[in-house]
Amino acid sequence: ETGVTQTPRHLVMGMTNKKSLKCEQHLGHNAMYWYKQSAKKPLELMFVYNFKEQTENNSVPSRFSPECPNSSHLFLHLHTLQPEDSALYLCASSQEAGTYNEQFFGPGTRLTVL
Amino acid sequence: GQNIDQPTEMTATEGAIVQINCTYQTSGFNGLFWYQQHAGEAPTFLSYNVLDGLEEKGRFSSFLSRSKGYSYLLLKELQMKDSASYLCAVLDSNYQLIWGAGTKLIIKP
Repeated sequence: ETGVTQTPRHLVMGMTNKKSLKCEQHLGHNAMYWYKQSAKKPLELMFVYNFKEQTENNSVPSRFSPECPNSSHLFLHLHTLQPEDSALYLCASSQEAGTYNEQFFGPGTRLTVL
Repeated sequence: GQNIDQPTEMTATEGAIVQINCTYQTSGFNGLFWYQQHAGEAPTFLSYNVLDGLEEKGRFSSFLSRSKGYSYLLLKELQMKDSASYLCAVLDSNYQLIWGAGTKLIIKP
């Protein structure tokens, strides 16, 4: 148990569906992250929020839309995804972005796009 | 470009010692992390090195040579539960983590 939870753990969706991934951290951290993890590839940073402000968007397609209503919650809204978006989506948090603080990860959402 | 290299897969025997190497080329350096990730689970922090040398933490040790752009993770007295992927990541000059693709470690009895 890392103090970071993600729901759902598994998600299967069609290309025309709209769904949302949820992440919650119970560590009192101020930074939250979304990563995409594909088999045998490095973790890809998607978005970073620091003190609820988005500080990083690594050229992520607009079919992925993040939302950070407060420092403890992070959402990733999905719409009109493509099969190549199938991956493990990991949420992480740290004390503050832009520092050497270690990141704490959630267990991930395994997403399959049909 | 920025690059982190580590072996894709390694196999070792229970009770033995294994060394997982990581080489990096990044724009700046503010430290190197090792994480462990069991299949289907969250990556968990193992170590952070920012100065040259060896840091020991129980059965796990991590070494860094900044001049060579090189690190290794040393696992001693291997146990079956050590079967996992080991991720190397470097904090670049912008304090952004650059990740390797991970090394899958298989432990055999």
